[in-house]
Amino acid sequence: SQKIEQNSEALNIQEGKTATLTCNYTNYSPAYLQWYRQDPGRGPVFLLLIRENEKEKRKERLKVTFDTTLKQSLFHITASQPADSATYLCAGNSGNTPLVFGKGTRLSVIA
Amino acid sequence: SQTIHQWPATLVQPVGSPLSLECTVEGTSNPNLYWYRQAAGRGLQLLFYSVGIGQISSEVPQNLSASRPQDRQFILSSKKLLLSDSGFYLCAWRDGIYNSPLHFGNGTRLTVT
Repeated sequence: SQKIEQNSEALNIQEGKTATLTCNYTNYSPAYLQWYRQDPGRGPVFLLLIRENEKEKRKERLKVTFDTTLKQSLFHITASQPADSATYLCAGNSGNTPLVFGKGTRLSVIA
Repeated sequence: SQTIHQWPATLVQPVGSPLSLECTVEGTSNPNLYWYRQAAGRGLQLLFYSVGIGQISSEVPQNLSASRPQDRQFILSSKKLLLSDSGFYLCAWRDGIYNSPLHFGNGTRLTVT
């Protein structure tokens, strides 16, 4: 079955450093990947989308890459801040099929 | 602008009781609507989605059902809750444009006792 895997359940980093979160997909080839942020007790909020023919996408301190050879997307937060602490979800699909989500990575930025 | 409302925010129900969770979207028409459940350590599980009034697709067979009586209203129901139905239920919408993102409500925390 189609799977999106975020291999780190939790990640702790020091404030000011770059956080890098990994998303791998198996058994299918998503046409695009999306990244969401989820705070405790809240619904996920969309951050970025990257298409399979795009290598990299940036938005302010966020950067996403899409490597179809490695079947992997990397999500970077530069100059991380304690306010960036949250769970980050990767999701992908092809066409208009429903998104398949990973389990998420809980990021803690320590001051 | 578009908004999504989901209620109630929390719910405690005994085993065997019925369930009705409601979700409405404002500011858009003919949205694609979704119900997800999020259990600890299991990620987001798609339960149902709908691309139009009366059109429901079920992803996971279980004792839950969904209905879409109006264009921007999506209801999740159960006739008899099980302990395993406990979780965080999220409603979401997206427009029908290819690769458009999902917009989530703030969820309902359901505890079945």
